[in-house]
Formats: sequence, C-alpha cells, structure tokens
Amino acid sequence: GAVVSQHPSRVICKSGTSVKIECRSLDFQATTMFWYRQFPKQSLMLMATSNEGSKATYEQGVEKDKFLINHASLTLSTLTVTSAHPEDSSFYICSAQGVARGLANEKLFFGSGTQLSVL
Amino acid sequence: ILNVEQSPQSLHVQEGDSTNFTCSFPSSNFYALHWYRWETAKSPEALFVMTLNGDEKKKGRISATLNTKEGYSYLYIKGSQPEDSATYLCALAPYGNKLVFGAGTILRVKS
Repeated sequence: GAVVSQHPSRVICKSGTSVKIECRSLDFQATTMFWYRQFPKQSLMLMATSNEGSKATYEQGVEKDKFLINHASLTLSTLTVTSAHPEDSSFYICSAQGVARGLANEKLFFGSGTQLSVL
Repeated sequence: ILNVEQSPQSLHVQEGDSTNFTCSFPSSNFYALHWYRWETAKSPEALFVMTLNGDEKKKGRISATLNTKEGYSYLYIKGSQPEDSATYLCALAPYGNKLVFGAGTILRVKS
C-alpha cells in the first residue's frame, strides 16, 4: 500500500522556537495533503488542507501565520510551528490524497505523527 | 459543527470473543464514512470507505455496515486476536476528503 513518511516522530523544544514537521509520500504523488492535530483525549482535528503549488486552506480557528504550510512538490508537505508555545504541545499528523484520486470515497494515507512538546 | 460519536470509548475482550463498535453521525451530512485502525506509534491504516446506505464490507475477520438514513455504522471483529488491539477510528467525509473524526474506540484483546 501507499506509504507516507512523517518526521520527526517526537520533538521537544523551548518556548519561542520554530519547529518544522515533514510529510513525504514515498510511492505516490500527493496532490493534496491534510494536517491534523490531536490534543489528549480528543479527536483528530483538521487544521489545514494543502494543495501542491498553491496556498493552504486553514480551518476556522487555526492561525495561518503560526502554522506555516508548504506543499512545494507532489511528494513533500511541511508544517512549521512558528514561535511555539506550551499550548501548541500536541500530536500532529498528516494524511495524503494521491493524483487522480479526487473522489471523496478514496482512502487517505497517513503519516505516523509527530508528538510536539514545548517547554 | 459536525459531531461524530464513537462508542464505547474502550473495550477489553478475551481472545476469541467477537466484538463490535458503533459510529454515529448526522444523517443529513453524508458523502462517505471511513474506518481506520490505529496501532500505537504507527500510521492509521484504512480499513473501509463506505458510501452506500446498506453497504457491508469485509476484510478478513473485520466487517462493517452502514446506515446513512439513521446515521450509524457498525464495525465487527469476529474471533478477536491480541493483534487486533488498536484504536479504531471512524471519520465522516461530508464533502471531499476533509474528514471529521470520532474520538475512537480503544480495543484491548487479552490472550
């Protein structure tokens, strides 16, 4: 099956620093990538949708200047948490939708997630 | 705000038991329903994507049914094995592939 690689799996950083999370589709071209986060004991919540070569679309309540998303190629999307603060500590996970897979009933392929802890 | 409810929150069963979980969603907002299996430290793995009312899908010992009119889906596991231990997520796709997830059902199978 399709593989999505997400790195790093865990990061601990000081408050005020920026953290970049990478998500790569290894054996298919991902036209669209979705970024989710999950706070403890809560559901995965969609943060933003990124399409290759265009600006990301952010969900209501997600600050676009704080969570910078770049999807410059069909195999790589990055999420940068800028000036991270303790309240940004969460589990972040990406999922990818492939080329010619534009139907809503297609399976998505997920990375393994990144646990961010901001001290 | 769409709400996807999963029950139970967690479940402990003995090896060999059959079990089932429920996913409830607003019946007025439906395009597709996804089921995922998520083991700790791994990627969520797609089990089923269901679109038609009355649909039934099967993968090995796992099967799922869908009722879009009343807004629920059941996931069944026959003869649970320890390797079935995972969190089972359902997600509603009201439009496109922007999924609205439930909180998951944690299954632990004891040998």
